[in-house]
Amino acid sequence: AQSVSQHNHHVILSEAASLELGCNYSYGGTVNLFWYVQYPGQHLQLLLKYFSGDPLVKGIKGFEAEFIKSKFSFNLRKPSVQWSDTAEYFCAVSSVTGGGNKLTFGTGTQLKVEL
Amino acid sequence: SQTIHQWPATLVQPVGSPLSLECTVEGTSNPNLYWYRQAAGRGLQLLFYSVGIGQISSEVPQNLSASRPQDRQFILSSKKLLLSDSGFYLCAWTSGIDEQFFGPGTRLTVL
Repeated sequence: AQSVSQHNHHVILSEAASLELGCNYSYGGTVNLFWYVQYPGQHLQLLLKYFSGDPLVKGIKGFEAEFIKSKFSFNLRKPSVQWSDTAEYFCAVSSVTGGGNKLTFGTGTQLKVEL
Repeated sequence: SQTIHQWPATLVQPVGSPLSLECTVEGTSNPNLYWYRQAAGRGLQLLFYSVGIGQISSEVPQNLSASRPQDRQFILSSKKLLLSDSGFYLCAWTSGIDEQFFGPGTRLTVL
């Protein structure tokens, strides 16, 4: 069975600080990887995704993530956070061979950016 | 464009009462549909998914059931709610192996 671990449950940063949120997964086969974000009062939405190709993927709002296959990791980064990045961030894994395209989510990281 | 609707947005129900949450998708056909429960500090837990009308797969044993009476309609139900059923329920859809699109959610409180 797949599992996803997000190591940081709560992160507090000042504006302009750099961000890195950890995500590790366990699964023996080929996976698709996602980061979703949930801003206060809004729907869960896709931040970025990795299916294949360049392991460094860029998403919306200046976010990027790097897939390191040997480490089973897909960490999320942003060089300089803004107050508007305050949100909950979820890493998710989808198994390519599984039926129904099921996503397994991590427990989420609550990010608070202070002015 | 595709949209996903969930209702009600919030619901307060007594223990032992029935439940029916509805999810509908517009602008696409034959989507895969999903029900998740989101709990604080526990992420999103997949409850049910459906790849077609009348086809339901349950991911975890629980007090809930799901049905898909129409192509773009997905219903989450319970005959008798438990306190532990309280939570935030999210419906999602996808057209294949790509990203899932999530609805606004229903906040259920069981008293």
